[in-house]
Amino acid sequence: GAVVSQHPSWVICKSGTSVKIECRSLDFQATTMFWYRQFPKQSLMLMATSNEGSKATYEQGVEKDKFLINHASLTLSTLTVTSAHPEDSSFYICSARDRVPGYSGANVLTFGAGSRLTVL
Amino acid sequence: KQEVTQIPAALSVPEGENLVLNCSFTDSAIYNLQWFRQDPGKGLTSLLLIQSSQREQTSGRLNASLDKSSGRSTLYIAASQPGDSATYLCAVQGGKLIFGQGTELSVKP
Repeated sequence: GAVVSQHPSWVICKSGTSVKIECRSLDFQATTMFWYRQFPKQSLMLMATSNEGSKATYEQGVEKDKFLINHASLTLSTLTVTSAHPEDSSFYICSARDRVPGYSGANVLTFGAGSRLTVL
Repeated sequence: KQEVTQIPAALSVPEGENLVLNCSFTDSAIYNLQWFRQDPGKGLTSLLLIQSSQREQTSGRLNASLDKSSGRSTLYIAASQPGDSATYLCAVQGGKLIFGQGTELSVKP
């Protein structure tokens, strides 16, 4: 089945540094990837939609200069948290769209295992 | 704007009970609905996917139903076990995948 790999699984950094999280589709090509954020005891909130070869589409309230998304290839999207601050500490999860054979227009999303960011 | 609501927010049951988790959504124009499981501090495990043209899906002790017209889905767990303890999330996919807040399930031995 489709597998999405996310790296790193956890990272601790100092305030003011930048952190890059990678999301890779291992056995399929993903023209679209999604980045979610999850605070403790809360649900997943969509941050942005990443399309290969074009600019990401950010959800309302998400700072695009803060959360830089690059989708340079069909198997890799990256999220960079720039000048991270303690309030950016969160669980970040990516997902990639994989087409289900026989279901036109119905795209299944496969999720990575998530990356836990702690900013000191 | 699609809104997804899950009831109850938390549920504690003794081992062996059958239970139902509820999910409702406001916009019926969806491609599919998925139920996920999330263990503390972990990513998501997909449990069941129901396409918009389907009414239900079953996998082992799990059965999920979908009533698009009323904007509702239920996840039925039969003969619950302590290992079922986790947070269960439903998510509906239109152009985007929108999640509910989750139901935190605790199954006590």
